Amino acid sequence: DIQMTQSPSSLSASVGDRITITCRASQVISNYLAWFQQKPGKAPKSLIYAASTLQSGVPSRFSGSGSGADFTLTISSLQPEDFATYYCQQYSTYPLTFGGGTKVEIK
Amino acid sequence: QPQLQESGPGLVKPSETLSLSCTVSGGSISSSNNYWGWIRQPPGKGLEWIGTIYYSGYTYYNPSLKSRVTISVDTSKNQFSLNLSSMTAADTAVYYCARLAVTTYIDYWGQGTLVTVSS
Repeated sequence: DIQMTQSPSSLSASVGDRITITCRASQVISNYLAWFQQKPGKAPKSLIYAASTLQSGVPSRFSGSGSGADFTLTISSLQPEDFATYYCQQYSTYPLTFGGGTKVEIK
Repeated sequence: QPQLQESGPGLVKPSETLSLSCTVSGGSISSSNNYWGWIRQPPGKGLEWIGTIYYSGYTYYNPSLKSRVTISVDTSKNQFSLNLSSMTAADTAVYYCARLAVTTYIDYWGQGTLVTVSS
């Protein structure tokens, strides 16, 4: 199985901050990487696929980059509604696997 | 945009089989552009992929659950279903159904349903 490692596991930030979350795959996955946002008690929401393509309706302050085994999710200016847990997921190879999550909290 | 809705029991006894359904609206489950899948999340923990099905019935299962999982599709009802046998407390989780694009990234999620395993 491909292991997905996210860092940090949590971070504290203020509204307006720029934050970056890292996701590393245990082997090369090309750009078959997705990012999801999950708020407490809610289903995950799809943000990005193909490492850098925004899902329809996702604000442009979200961006993704990377290829191979190292990827990042960046929020350019954190908004109050962005405080949530973020997960990466590889879909290069079955079984599909998720990172452990990064909780973004208010400083 | 499509909507997915899980349905099934919220409480299952140990050793029993969980049966959940996912009803798809706003799109056809027979679309050649999509797969359909199940993902679960134990309370306070991360996400685990269970399995994926194509409308033709072709399935992929997580090897860690493969011996206990069956996913099926009913195109006449625009539904797909999950059966997970020999349930234990470790299977207590929120179960999500999801739509996957043909390249297998998840684009839409159901709201999820909490399943508790307890006698």
